[in-house]
Amino acid sequence: DGGITQSPKYLFRKEGQNVTLSCEQNLNHDAMYWYRQDPGQGLRLIYYSQIVNDFQKGDIAEGYSVSREKKESFPLTVTSAQKNPTAFYLCASGGRGLFGTEAFFGQGTRLTVV
Amino acid sequence: AQSVTQLDSHVSVSEGTPVLLRCNYSSSYSPSLFWYVQHPNKGLQLLLKYTSAATLVKGINGFEAEFKKSETSFHLTKPSAHMSDAAEYFCVVSFNSGGYQKVTFGTGTKLQVIP
Repeated sequence: DGGITQSPKYLFRKEGQNVTLSCEQNLNHDAMYWYRQDPGQGLRLIYYSQIVNDFQKGDIAEGYSVSREKKESFPLTVTSAQKNPTAFYLCASGGRGLFGTEAFFGQGTRLTVV
Repeated sequence: AQSVTQLDSHVSVSEGTPVLLRCNYSSSYSPSLFWYVQHPNKGLQLLLKYTSAATLVKGINGFEAEFKKSETSFHLTKPSAHMSDAAEYFCVVSFNSGGYQKVTFGTGTKLQVIP
């Protein structure tokens, strides 16, 4: 079955550590996106990539980094520079023009800083 | 610029009664509008979308929404709530800018269904 997979589902990080969240899709989608979700704030765009080896900052990119070496994969690194990393992170993929067609979301990763 | 406002952060209904989740939008362009549903600790699932075809859009699980340009609204309705409808619902507006869809999410409405 085609889909988008995020791992792990839950992640704990000590302050000052970098941590990488995985996002893989086998839908042959060009575009992939990372969103951060906080209670009462909806989803905010961190980074997006429309094609391999290219990515752009979203609205809240500070303290995050990404790579897009393969079409199927778009990992997100939460760095120690991110001041408030505890949140629910959602990865999405879609054809060119994400919301012209349906966007597919992963099941999310809940990151907690301890 | 575009924005989307979900007028209620929480809605509570009794099982079997109608559901109304309100969404108003602002967009300088002809927008596409979507409703997504999110169950706890899950990703988002598309309920329905409006992309300038019929103004009354039918989605999954008995939900529908009507695009009203004069009122800049895209409210989500369902005639009879089911316990499984309890979730968070997001209204989304997007428009095409240079081949990329500019997307704005609402802040969400949590639907509680009382037995």
